[in-house]
Amino acid sequence: GNSVTQMEGPVTLSEEAFLTINCTYTATGYPSLFWYVQYPGEGLQLLLKATKADDKGSNKGFEATYRKETTSFHLEKGSVQVSDSAVYFCALIPTGNQFYFGTGTSLTVIP
Amino acid sequence: DTAVSQTPKYLVTQMGNDKSIKCEQNLGHDTMYWYKQDSKKFLKIMFSYNNKELIINETVPNRFSPKSPDKAHLNLHINSLELGDSAVYFCASSQNIGSGNTIYFGEGSWLTVV
Repeated sequence: GNSVTQMEGPVTLSEEAFLTINCTYTATGYPSLFWYVQYPGEGLQLLLKATKADDKGSNKGFEATYRKETTSFHLEKGSVQVSDSAVYFCALIPTGNQFYFGTGTSLTVIP
Repeated sequence: DTAVSQTPKYLVTQMGNDKSIKCEQNLGHDTMYWYKQDSKKFLKIMFSYNNKELIINETVPNRFSPKSPDKAHLNLHINSLELGDSAVYFCASSQNIGSGNTIYFGEGSWLTVV
């Protein structure tokens, strides 16, 4: 079947710390992979995506590489800011199928 | 020029009432969705329509009924509201269904049943 597993939160970091949020998946076919971010009181926004193996998605200093061999799409940022505090969702869409979301990881960045 | 817009944003209502949430997208997409997000931020798909045709209908109480008058609109009607229906409901759309598509979310509708 198709599923996404992401690290449980909450995660609390100091400003300028390095961030990694792990995401692994199982899927049929050749899925596209996504990271969405949800700021407090708002809807989900696309943060970055990758559509094939070894692609790297990047946006706002965040990066994630589509690793088919480890079925992973870990989110990283070198230096987090207070404004990055949000809930982050890993997601996939397999070939000809619907979206599957992870359970979300809450990140709080403290000054 | 909001891409996916849903109304109302906040809704407080009593148990047993019937309410509707409206959703419209101006992206020209063929596929629309309703998701429910619980208090732990878990997202669960409820329904999906592609060109006005129901394609995903997850295990949802039949008190929830989606209506798609055209492919730009997908409304959600809820009958006989219960306390457990309190959640955030997100409308979303994508060009169509399948790999390579990106899903775009509305701002959410915060439903509180008292």
